[in-house]
Amino acid sequence: GQNIDQPTEMTATEGAIVQINCTYQTSGFNGLFWYQQHAGEAPTFLSYNVLDGLEEKGRFSSFLSRSKGYSYLLLKELQMKDSASYLCAVKDSNYQLIWGAGTKLIIKP
Amino acid sequence: DTAVSQTPKYLVTQMGNDKSIKCEQNLGHDTMYWYKQDSKKFLKIMFSYNNKELIINETVPNRFSPKSPDKAHLNLHINSLELGDSAVYFCASSQDPPGGGETQYFGPGTRLLVL
Repeated sequence: GQNIDQPTEMTATEGAIVQINCTYQTSGFNGLFWYQQHAGEAPTFLSYNVLDGLEEKGRFSSFLSRSKGYSYLLLKELQMKDSASYLCAVKDSNYQLIWGAGTKLIIKP
Repeated sequence: DTAVSQTPKYLVTQMGNDKSIKCEQNLGHDTMYWYKQDSKKFLKIMFSYNNKELIINETVPNRFSPKSPDKAHLNLHINSLELGDSAVYFCASSQDPPGGGETQYFGPGTRLLVL
């Protein structure tokens, strides 16, 4: 079967750095996405990785290792508004997006 | 000038009723999607249309019927609603068919509660 694993919940402090991990087992791989979803709102796109390595975009970076079936989202200089769920999604061999359940990130002052 | 809009935002109804959810995107995208997000927060693809043609049809009960009158609209009709249909339904759109790194833009969601 296809599986995306993320921690259910993480807590971090304002101003700190947090790394949210995602491991996947899918039938084929055609890219990995990270989305942010605030409570009661729609998911919004954060990043896309299809090749191994680190993609940096402001305070957010995303890393991919295809051989390990592993990605992480790194959030720096955390702000209270970063409190949200972070969804990892992988595009499989049929180009369908398989979604993880998301990691709820709680930021404390 | 909302990019992807859905109506209604909230829908409370009785078991057995038939209801529709509408979705419109003004981004000029060719592909639209319906997702269901259950209480465990898993997002599951239900349908995808590209230029009004069905391209993804996951295993959902045939009580769910999508309809795309044009590429800017994708509506979802649900017959004989059941308690298990209670969830948040998200519409999304992307420029290209699912084939690469296209970003999907989500609507605000429709919170359906079946009593």
